[in-house]
Amino acid sequence: AQTVTQSQPEMSVQEAETVTLSCTYDTSESDYYLFWYKQPPSRQMILVIRQEAYKQQNATENRFSVNFQKAAKSFSLKISDSQLGDAAMYFCAYRSGSVTGANSKLTFGKGITLSVRP
Amino acid sequence: SQTIHQWPATLVQPVGSPLSLECTVEGTSNPNLYWYRQAAGRGLQLLFYSVGIGQISSEVPQNLSASRPQDRQFILSSKKLLLSDSGFYLCAWTSVDRTRNTIYFGEGSWLTVV
Repeated sequence: AQTVTQSQPEMSVQEAETVTLSCTYDTSESDYYLFWYKQPPSRQMILVIRQEAYKQQNATENRFSVNFQKAAKSFSLKISDSQLGDAAMYFCAYRSGSVTGANSKLTFGKGITLSVRP
Repeated sequence: SQTIHQWPATLVQPVGSPLSLECTVEGTSNPNLYWYRQAAGRGLQLLFYSVGIGQISSEVPQNLSASRPQDRQFILSSKKLLLSDSGFYLCAWTSVDRTRNTIYFGEGSWLTVV
């Protein structure tokens, strides 16, 4: 079974600075997807960024980018120019490349609470 | 575009009362549907998933059940709520198209069992 580990329960960053959130995962599959979701105080889960395992290039979305190290099974999220609105809980998630049945589910890490200092 | 809605947003129910949370998806057909629960301050736990009408798979044994009476409707139910059923419930969907592999979530439902 796949597992996702987020070992840092909390992090803090100064506004306008850069912060990196860590995530590791364990799988025997070669075809999979990795995600970072943001959960603000409203509790709605918002997709931040997605990475396909078969792509060597790291995904980027505006101020958000990932460092995907497939061999090390590491998937960290970098937030540049941090803003107050970035304060939230961030979840790393894994999904099998197969979209059928149980393989189509997301496996989540326990999340990390990010605070942004003004 | 696709949207997902779930309701009610908040409810307070006494122990032993029934529960019905509903989720609908618009703008897509034959989605995979999911119910997740998030206990206070914790990660997300998959409760049920469905790959088609009437097809429900349970991830953990519990006091809850799920049903999918229509293609884009997913219902979470309980006949008798327990205190431990309190939490934040999230419905989610994904397309079976591999090119659209992201799972999207509804707004969530807060359940407090008293």
